[in-house]
Amino acid sequence: DVKVTQSSRYLVKRTGEKVFLECVQDMDHENMFWYRQDPGLGLRLIYFSYDVKMKEKGDIPEGYSVSREKKERFSLILESASTNQTSMYLCASSFVTGRNNEQFFGPGTRLTVL
Amino acid sequence: GNSVTQMEGPVTLSEEAFLTINCTYTATGYPSLFWYVQYPGEGLQLLLKATKADDKGSNKGFEATYRKETTSFHLEKGSVQVSDSAVYFCALIWSGGYKLSFGAGTTVTVRA
Repeated sequence: DVKVTQSSRYLVKRTGEKVFLECVQDMDHENMFWYRQDPGLGLRLIYFSYDVKMKEKGDIPEGYSVSREKKERFSLILESASTNQTSMYLCASSFVTGRNNEQFFGPGTRLTVL
Repeated sequence: GNSVTQMEGPVTLSEEAFLTINCTYTATGYPSLFWYVQYPGEGLQLLLKATKADDKGSNKGFEATYRKETTSFHLEKGSVQVSDSAVYFCALIWSGGYKLSFGAGTTVTVRA
């Protein structure tokens, strides 16, 4: 089975702190994604990576950056956390793009910024 | 642009009741359509999918048919169980793309 793991299930940080969320997948997938999930808004794409060191902005990249130094690992960085970044963050990976793009999700990290 | 609209919840049902969650979409071209499910405390997992018009996806007793004429992909299950309590997301991707567009999610609670 495909496994996508995220470094923390729950995280509490203070405003202004630098925050790292880590995601690892074990299926040699090319594509990795970071979403945030908010009630009533569904999932919104923050960033997408289609190869090592390659990234593209999603719908809501402001306030976030990403890093992909190894194929299996995709990090989301909040340079200076703010309270409006309190949310559930979900990482996903997939092998292909296009109409058969089944994405596999990690369990999520619930981040609270105080 | 591509977008998905699904019925608002929450939905509360008794065991063995019939479940329908409506999903309609707006997209250019011919997208693929998905239903994802999120059980409490977990990430999303693919429930079923359909990649072309008139395809029917099915899994775990759930079904959805890709209706191009009504731009819909409604999710149905004939007899729900308590274990079906979850949040259900409708999503689409267009043929050349990487980005899944999600609906807002529908919370379903099944009571014994």
